[in-house]
Amino acid sequence: LAKTTQPISMDSYEGQEVNITCSHNNIATNDYITWYQQFPSQGPRFIIQGYKTKVTNEVASLFIPADRKSSTLSLPRVSLSDTAVYYCLVGEVGNKLVFGAGTILRVKS
Amino acid sequence: ETGVTQTPRHLVMGMTNKKSLKCEQHLGHNAMYWYKQSAKKPLELMFVYNFKEQTENNSVPSRFSPECPNSSHLFLHLHTLQPEDSALYLCASSQARASRNEQYFGPGTRLTVT
Repeated sequence: LAKTTQPISMDSYEGQEVNITCSHNNIATNDYITWYQQFPSQGPRFIIQGYKTKVTNEVASLFIPADRKSSTLSLPRVSLSDTAVYYCLVGEVGNKLVFGAGTILRVKS
Repeated sequence: ETGVTQTPRHLVMGMTNKKSLKCEQHLGHNAMYWYKQSAKKPLELMFVYNFKEQTENNSVPSRFSPECPNSSHLFLHLHTLQPEDSALYLCASSQARASRNEQYFGPGTRLTVT
């Protein structure tokens, strides 16, 4: 059974670049990849979305290879306030929306 | 403030009680979602409504009953729950039900079943 998978956790230091990869080998042809950030006691919040190649906004970049079976969220120069859980969301074959299990990012000073 | 509100924020109920969770969105969206988030588990999509019609029910037990009277309101009716149903229940909305549409989440209702 295909799944959307992410690393369970990552540690980083302030000022470093952090890359979180999500594997989604069952992504549907026309569906997008979206990343969300969640702080404790809050609902997830949209970070970035893409379909292919590279997308950049004011907070992150998203890299998607040609086969689209994975994607990498890149957070430049993280700060303590970036400590959160990061989820990828993918539309899978069968018209299903599937969240990854989430990656706990801990940023240390 | 995401434009999606949920009430109550916290709820404690016994296994024989009946209660309802409410979600309201002020964004003019046409799709609304219920998610369950348990400790150490990923977000689980429960139900999806698109233009007031239920389009997805991901094998959710019948003790959870959704209702969508209009595009702005979504309810989750609860009855005879089990302790394992204790979780954070999140509501979300989007322009329409499609992966390209950003979902806006409410703050959630923390449910404890005793």
